[in-house]
Amino acid sequence: GAVVSQHPSWVICKSGTSVKIECRSLDFQATTMFWYRQFPKQSLMLMATSNEGSKATYEQGVEKDKFLINHASLTLSTLTVTSAHPEDSSFYICSARDRTSGSYNEQFFGPGTRLTVL
Amino acid sequence: AQKVTQAQTEISVVEKEDVTLDCVYETRDTTYYLFWYKQPPSGELVFLIRRNSFDEQNEISGRYSWNFQKSTSSFNFTITASQVVDSAVYFCALFSSGGYNKLIFGAGTRLAVHP
Repeated sequence: GAVVSQHPSWVICKSGTSVKIECRSLDFQATTMFWYRQFPKQSLMLMATSNEGSKATYEQGVEKDKFLINHASLTLSTLTVTSAHPEDSSFYICSARDRTSGSYNEQFFGPGTRLTVL
Repeated sequence: AQKVTQAQTEISVVEKEDVTLDCVYETRDTTYYLFWYKQPPSGELVFLIRRNSFDEQNEISGRYSWNFQKSTSSFNFTITASQVVDSAVYFCALFSSGGYNKLIFGAGTRLAVHP
């Protein structure tokens, strides 16, 4: 089956630093990847849709200058949390859509990255 | 508007009990897809099922079964003879063009199965 990896799986950083999270599709090409944020005991909230070779589309209320997304290849999207603050501490999950799949609605999820900002 | 409601925030059962997790959705689209995911304590989402709006057949997979009823806009999930390993948060999700082709998640139901 389709596998999506995320790196790192967890990260602790100091307030004011930037953190980069990678999302990779391991055995398929993904023209579209999605970034979600999940606060403790809450649901997944879509942050942005990342399209290979073009700018990401951000959901309302998500600061694009704070959450930089780069989708430079068909297998890699990165989310950079710039000048992180404690309120950015969360579980970040990516998902990817297989470009060859006839199922437009199918997404494969990564294992998530837990970010803690001190 | 696209919306998924999981009214049960937390459910606690004893092992071997049957348990049903409710999911009610809202959409004006005639073509849409419904999903169930399991999120164990590790955090990784586990895909359980996808159902399209034209297929109202109920599905059974081992101890899991799903009841899709368009008349009530519900897509309920039943675990038969629950086990401790079933303890997790379960999310119902909706995908449709009216939702801009994005997955819309319900709030989730936390299931605790006690020995």
